[in-house]
Amino acid sequence: AQSVTQPDIHITVSEGASLELRCNYSYGATPYLFWYVQSPGQGLQLLLKYFSGDTLVQGIKGFEAEFKRSQSSFNLRKPSVHWSDAAEYFCAVGAGSSNTGKLIFGQGTTLQVKP
Amino acid sequence: DVKVTQSSRYLVKRTGEKVFLECVQDMDHENMFWYRQDPGLGLRLIYFSYDVKMKEKGDIPEGYSVSREKKERFSLILESASTNQTSMYLCASSLGGPRKETQYFGPGTRLLVL
Repeated sequence: AQSVTQPDIHITVSEGASLELRCNYSYGATPYLFWYVQSPGQGLQLLLKYFSGDTLVQGIKGFEAEFKRSQSSFNLRKPSVHWSDAAEYFCAVGAGSSNTGKLIFGQGTTLQVKP
Repeated sequence: DVKVTQSSRYLVKRTGEKVFLECVQDMDHENMFWYRQDPGLGLRLIYFSYDVKMKEKGDIPEGYSVSREKKERFSLILESASTNQTSMYLCASSLGGPRKETQYFGPGTRLLVL
């Protein structure tokens, strides 16, 4: 069965520092991979997605993610974090085998940004 | 831009009440989803619908039902609300066909059952 693991529940970084959020997935075929961000009290906003092709994917708000098949990972990165990036981040994998577009979500990583 | 709206941002209900949560999308999406979100558990799929009047159970359907009478609207129903259904409920929609996994989310409804 497909699964997604985000090993870090909470991460704290200083403003201006670089950021990497980890995501590992389990899926038998080539996965469709997503990162979403959720600001407090809000719904989820799509940051970026990977379907195929270039394994380094650019997203909104200066985020990027790299698909590494050998490591079953899709880590999210940002070179310089801003205070407004404080939020909860979710990695998801497309369940893919049906026609219904189901996603499997990780447990989420809460990012705190120190001034 | 895709817009997914949910009927309420906050709801307070009593145990045993029948609760309706409504979701509307304006982009003619085929697929619609209901999730609940709880701390430390991420998002868990309750039900989804891939066409009008079609529905499938997700991972945690117990205690819930859904209705999709029109393509743009997907309702989640708690037949008899219980305190363990206190949660954040998120609705999402996606296109059919290729790239159907790209889901767009509403702002969420925070439900408190007393």
